[in-house]
Amino acid sequence: AQKITQTQPGMFVQEKEAVTLDCTYDTSDPSYGLFWYKQPSSGEMIFLIYQGSYDQQNATEGRYSLNFQKARKSANLVISASQLGDSAMYFCAMRVTGNQFYFGTGTSLTVIP
Amino acid sequence: NAGVTQTPKFQVLKTGQSMTLQCAQDMNHEYMSWYRQDPGMGLRLIHYSVGAGITDQGEVPNGYNVSRSTTEDFPLRLLSAAPSQTSVYFCASSYLTPTKETQYFGPGTRLLVL
Repeated sequence: AQKITQTQPGMFVQEKEAVTLDCTYDTSDPSYGLFWYKQPSSGEMIFLIYQGSYDQQNATEGRYSLNFQKARKSANLVISASQLGDSAMYFCAMRVTGNQFYFGTGTSLTVIP
Repeated sequence: NAGVTQTPKFQVLKTGQSMTLQCAQDMNHEYMSWYRQDPGMGLRLIHYSVGAGITDQGEVPNGYNVSRSTTEDFPLRLLSAAPSQTSVYFCASSYLTPTKETQYFGPGTRLLVL
């Protein structure tokens, strides 16, 4: 079964601190991709970062990094130096064979000034 | 580039009516997908396409049809609207390279079925 699990419905972080959003996945496909998206209150879905299942190094995109632990089937998002504009819903997603995507239920992040 | 565009932004339907949600992309991406987003459930895949003329069912395909006659367009048809189809619908297009994948979303269509 293909599944993405985000166990943190809501998270709070102090401005300028780092925060980790958890994501675990389950798939039997040997090749897959892992994604994180940000959805602000305005509703659009914004791509943040991608990690391929065969990538040896953790992906980084500016203040975002993906902590990929393949044996544990986890793909946590780390946001460094949080900003007020980071307050949003964050979704973890997995792409499996045939371009099928599965999304988690999301984590609501609130950055406190 | 406009990216991924969706029309309409909002729509109210009566039960039993049919309609088509339009989606277009100008990035020449082979892969396109339709999702619905319901409160507390994240996004769920309705249908997807890996190229013109090729479509397949996702996680929640019942009540929806798609076609892909061109690379650019991927319309979603609601055959006979039901209140359970009240949702926000997102279209997305994506590309894959040997080292990277990216998926871009449209702005969404809010649908209310009465």
